[in-house]
Amino acid sequence: AQKITQTQPGMFVQEKEAVTLDCTYDTSDQSYGLFWYKQPSSGEMIFLIYQGSYDEQNATEGRYSLNFQKARKSANLVISASQLGDSAMYFCAMRVGGYNKLIFGAGTRLAVHP
Amino acid sequence: EPEVTQTPSHQVTQMGQEVILRCVPISNHLYFYWYRQILGQKVEFLVSFYNNEISEKSEIFDDQFSVERPDGSNFTLKIRSTKLEDSAMYFCASSVGLAGRGTYEQYFGPGTRLTVT
Repeated sequence: AQKITQTQPGMFVQEKEAVTLDCTYDTSDQSYGLFWYKQPSSGEMIFLIYQGSYDEQNATEGRYSLNFQKARKSANLVISASQLGDSAMYFCAMRVGGYNKLIFGAGTRLAVHP
Repeated sequence: EPEVTQTPSHQVTQMGQEVILRCVPISNHLYFYWYRQILGQKVEFLVSFYNNEISEKSEIFDDQFSVERPDGSNFTLKIRSTKLEDSAMYFCASSVGLAGRGTYEQYFGPGTRLTVT
């Protein structure tokens, strides 16, 4: 079965510190991709980063990087130098199927403290 | 920067009424999606749409739901007879295409919060 698991319902981090949000996935597909989205309290879904299953390098976008470990089926998000504005819900998602629908994990609520 | 837009931002309707949620995907995108998020829960896939037809739908997307691309820019989700359990945030998303770097990213609109009373 295709599934995304986020085991951390909540995380706390001090401002300017780095934080890792965990995501594991399960799929039998050879071609797939992993996404991270940020959902602030206002409710919108903001695309952060994408990693394809065949990409050899870990994806990076500014302060966001994706630690992709294919053998372990994990795709953890690393946020470096946390800012107060990073406080939000973070969802890991996987594209599956021929038309790339996304299946989402339950999310991790990140709180950044000054 | 191009973005997906959705209207209205909030819709309140009575049970049994029909609602139409509207989306304008990013202009060069070819693949369109609807997702929903019941309050406090994970985001769930409803339907994908390509080349003017449904390409995939979930078990949630029953006969009460329909999608349409009535012109070159709008993409709509219709719920024929709303139920209390349809109350949720509905997100529209779009992506460029299926293959090639940069084409898989799905960009989401700000959502429509549907409240069924």
